[in-house]
Amino acid sequence: AQSVTQLDSHVSVSEGTPVLLRCNYSSSYSPSLFWYVQHPNKGLQLLLKYTSAATLVKGINGFEAEFKKSETSFHLTKPSAHMSDAAEYFCVVSNTGFQKLVFGTGTRLLVSP
Amino acid sequence: NAGVTQTPKFQVLKTGQSMTLQCAQDMNHNSMYWYRQDPGMGLRLIYYSASEGTTDKGEVPNGYNVSRLNKREFSLRLESAAPSQTSVYFCASIRGSDTGELFFGEGSRLTVL
Repeated sequence: AQSVTQLDSHVSVSEGTPVLLRCNYSSSYSPSLFWYVQHPNKGLQLLLKYTSAATLVKGINGFEAEFKKSETSFHLTKPSAHMSDAAEYFCVVSNTGFQKLVFGTGTRLLVSP
Repeated sequence: NAGVTQTPKFQVLKTGQSMTLQCAQDMNHNSMYWYRQDPGMGLRLIYYSASEGTTDKGEVPNGYNVSRLNKREFSLRLESAAPSQTSVYFCASIRGSDTGELFFGEGSRLTVL
């Protein structure tokens, strides 16, 4: 079975400071991993994905994530937060073929001026 | 390009009533999904359809039925609604096994009294 654990339910940062959202995964085989973002009252949108190519993955809006097999982690980072980054972020693990995607419980990012 | 369209966006039901959530995608995607989102629990898979004519149970299928009417449409039915089914429901689709990117509708907020 595969699963993801998002280590923080809420993260608060000031505008212009770095963002770190933490995700650990469990999978019995080489996983595909994703980060999705959900703005209030909206559906989810893909930020970035890892599918066994480069371990450092760049996504939209300046976000990055690094796949670390030794630590079973896939943390999401951004060098400088913007007010528009305030949203809920979901880490997702998938089986081969992407037929079953398992979502983490989400991390709400709060950005203050 | 509409993407994934869900109807209705809001619905209030009484316990024991039935209803169907409709979902349609215009991206010629093979696979479609129904998720429910509850606070602190992330998204949980109810049912999915890997291709036209097939459906499979996800993590929380009890109390729900689905129909993959054709390649475009995937409906979710609550036969006898219960308060525990109060949730936000998301339909999503995926092109196939080569990308892993889910495209989401904007959600349907269901309240069961």
